[in-house]
Amino acid sequence: GAVVSQHPSWVICKSGTSVKIECRSLDFQATTMFWYRQFPKQSLMLMATSNEGSKATYEQGVEKDKFLINHASLTLSTLTVTSAHPEDSSFYICSAFRDRGIYSTDTQYFGPGTRLTVL
Amino acid sequence: GDSVTQMEGPVTLSEEAFLTINCTYTATGYPSLFWYVQYPGEGLQLLLKATKADDKGSNKGFEATYRKETTSFHLEKGSVQVSDSAVYFCALSAYSGNTPLVFGKGTRLSVIA
Repeated sequence: GAVVSQHPSWVICKSGTSVKIECRSLDFQATTMFWYRQFPKQSLMLMATSNEGSKATYEQGVEKDKFLINHASLTLSTLTVTSAHPEDSSFYICSAFRDRGIYSTDTQYFGPGTRLTVL
Repeated sequence: GDSVTQMEGPVTLSEEAFLTINCTYTATGYPSLFWYVQYPGEGLQLLLKATKADDKGSNKGFEATYRKETTSFHLEKGSVQVSDSAVYFCALSAYSGNTPLVFGKGTRLSVIA
């Protein structure tokens, strides 16, 4: 089955530093990937839509200069949390759609998530 | 905007008990509906889905029927196991194709032996 990986799975950093999270589709191409954020005991909230070869589309209230998204290839999207602060601590999850083809489906495949803790 | 409301947890059941997790939605048009499961320490996994009214999604003993008249997609299982302990998310996708999901808040299920 389709697999999406994220790296790192967890990271602890000091306030003010930047952290990069990678999301890879391991066995399929994904023109579109999504980044979600999950607060403890709450639902996933969409942060942005990442499109290969173009700028990401951010949801209202998400600072694009703080959460930099780069979808450099059909199998990789990165989320960089710049100048991280404790309130950025959260669980970040990416998902990817297998690119449409004759046998494609509309199923999203989710990565295992990255837990970010900012001290 | 579109939204999903699911019953608050946590839900604690004994093994072999019947499970129902309620989910209702608000959406324009005809969304696709999903149940995702998140086991401890793991990512979200698609459990089942339904793409049109009266469709029934089923997987691993779980079932949910897309009810347009009541805008509901309740998750049921006749006999739960300890291994079903997880967080369950109801979600919708407003359009077909590469669109993001709108999630409910999740319901934590604990099954005790």
